[in-house]
Amino acid sequence: DAGVIQSPRHEVTEMGQEVTLRCKPISGHDYLFWYRQTMMRGLELLIYFNNNVPIDDSGMPEDRFSAKMPNASFSTLKIQPSEPRDSAVYFCASSFVGIPGTQYFGPGTRLLVL
Amino acid sequence: DAKTTQPNSMESNEEEPVHLPCNHSTISGTDYIHWYRQLPSQGPEYVIHGLTSNVNNRMASLAIAEDRKSSTLILHRATLRDAAVYYCILRDVGGRGGSNYKLTFGKGTLLTVNP
Repeated sequence: DAGVIQSPRHEVTEMGQEVTLRCKPISGHDYLFWYRQTMMRGLELLIYFNNNVPIDDSGMPEDRFSAKMPNASFSTLKIQPSEPRDSAVYFCASSFVGIPGTQYFGPGTRLLVL
Repeated sequence: DAKTTQPNSMESNEEEPVHLPCNHSTISGTDYIHWYRQLPSQGPEYVIHGLTSNVNNRMASLAIAEDRKSSTLILHRATLRDAAVYYCILRDVGGRGGSNYKLTFGKGTLLTVNP
């Protein structure tokens, strides 16, 4: 299995531009998670889905952030408009239902907003 | 969410055992203890988990106190590749509506392994 796939791996954009991050979870996994990691705030859960349905988006910082999961093999995290404070590494993870519910993380997308 | 407390950093020598402590005094009966680690420039990876009994796998051992208020991740022979941030996380499997699948990461322990 290729593991969780994220694209792009690096993104540099200017303030005000739209940014779309993509994630392909491991086949057969029921849950998909989006995290953001910064030096100041550490690793934060933004939103997660179960069977393509958003379960908890309480970590989404504001309306500029949106996430979708149109099918079991694809999810996007969109930032519009982007701001410099959005600069971070964004991770996608997926897991099976049950215990231990191990989350498998992708390599991350390093976003820099100028 | 029940909280965990870990030392900010620890240092070890290669080939020696490492004991990474975690305090979780407010743990509930439905909380599983999970350990993840994050190698430099990578996403976190699962290490081990347990509920009440000590656990062993190919990566590490997990020793859980009898009252479950603390646990220790044991790396039996540290290698340079074990240098990472280690996170101790409580996962509540008693939650409703899928909330029990959330993992809340703290700051973890930065483990440095000296050659």
